[in-house]
Amino acid sequence: AQSVTQPDIHITVSEGASLELRCNYSYGATPYLFWYVQSPGQGLQLLLKYFSGDTLVQGIKGFEAEFKRSQSSFNLRKPSVHWSDAAEYFCAVASNFGNEKLTFGTGTRLTIIP
Amino acid sequence: DAGVTQSPTHLIKTRGQQVTLRCSPKSGHDTVSWYQQALGQGPQFIFQYYEEEERQRGNFPDRFSGHQFPNYSSELNVNALLLGDSALYLCASSLSWVGETQYFGPGTRLLVL
Repeated sequence: AQSVTQPDIHITVSEGASLELRCNYSYGATPYLFWYVQSPGQGLQLLLKYFSGDTLVQGIKGFEAEFKRSQSSFNLRKPSVHWSDAAEYFCAVASNFGNEKLTFGTGTRLTIIP
Repeated sequence: DAGVTQSPTHLIKTRGQQVTLRCSPKSGHDTVSWYQQALGQGPQFIFQYYEEEERQRGNFPDRFSGHQFPNYSSELNVNALLLGDSALYLCASSLSWVGETQYFGPGTRLLVL
């Protein structure tokens, strides 16, 4: 069965500093990987996705993620965070065709300090 | 272009009651998935509908049922509500093609007292 682990429950970063959120997945075949962001009281917004090809994926709002098969990881990065990046971030994996069941991690809450 | 919409936004019910949540998919999308997000948790997959049939189901009891209409909109029904059913219920829509992304609505927050 597929699973996702986000080891960091809560991360605090200063505005303008770099960010890396960790994600490890477990899946037997080639995974389809996603990062979503959720602001308080909101639904989920897709930041980026990996299906195949280049292992460094660019997303919206200046985010990028790198797929490392050898480490079963798909970490999210941003070189310089903004106060508006404060939110909950979820990593997810999908099986088969990528539009079926999504399995989410428990999320990482990001706090930005001035 | 309207995104995924859900109604109602908030709902309060008592134990044992039944509830129906509604979802309209993004224009052009034919597949609808439902997720339950408990407080402080990631979303959990309930089921997915395509061509008015349940295509895939997560680990949820039969109290959770759904329906998809010919216009691709969908309903989630929960019977015999329990306190533990209190959560944010998210609807996501997508195309049925390989590699298509699921787009989420704002959710319906259900409180069971």
